[in-house]
Amino acid sequence: GAVVSQHPSWVICKSGTSVKIECRSLDFQATTMFWYRQFPKQSLMLMATSNEGSKATYEQGVEKDKFLINHASLTLSTLTVTSAHPEDSSFYICSATTGGAAFDQPQHFGDGTRLSIL
Amino acid sequence: RKEVEQDPGPFNVPEGATVAFNCTYSNSASQSFFWYRQDCRKEPKLLMSVYSSGNEDGRFTAQLNRASQYISLLIRDSKLSDSATYLCVVNRDDYKLSFGAGTTVTVRA
Repeated sequence: GAVVSQHPSWVICKSGTSVKIECRSLDFQATTMFWYRQFPKQSLMLMATSNEGSKATYEQGVEKDKFLINHASLTLSTLTVTSAHPEDSSFYICSATTGGAAFDQPQHFGDGTRLSIL
Repeated sequence: RKEVEQDPGPFNVPEGATVAFNCTYSNSASQSFFWYRQDCRKEPKLLMSVYSSGNEDGRFTAQLNRASQYISLLIRDSKLSDSATYLCVVNRDDYKLSFGAGTTVTVRA
């Protein structure tokens, strides 16, 4: 159980393109979803927290107009990288939880999206 | 200071060896601790939660030292399949997690 699907798994686009990444919880309802970014040999950095039906909460330094997050249902959150540039190239990973404290409800990770902007 | 710091390694060990490594965390209020495993270009997968009294899961043993704010992971009888990057993860508040950059372990035949 607790499967999170992320799509697409790999994207290569030209600079200036907007890219949408989907994160779906397949067998549970995800009250909260998280979006992370990971650069090579670095840790996962939390970008934003997404709660179903409300606006996402962005971490300091993350541009909310650049990274649009929508969590329209309990099983789907989307991250749109608007007007992507080469510096946005990274590994984007979502995770989902049924909510509650970290020690009660572990986060289940999607398999990640590798974004390459040319 | 980073919230979670790990020795990046790599730790190169022969099959059957024991390997151990630590991570330190800066937030003394943290309550939840985990070790995740991440294979190259893949998503992190939960290896084990870490409890105050220490816990063991097969060949893996995790310890928590709250006074010194560090967590350790020990792998006994290493297998080739244990080669991966091990991420130390600590909660920032009730539901957000902070990740270390990972410790790379390579088990050789």
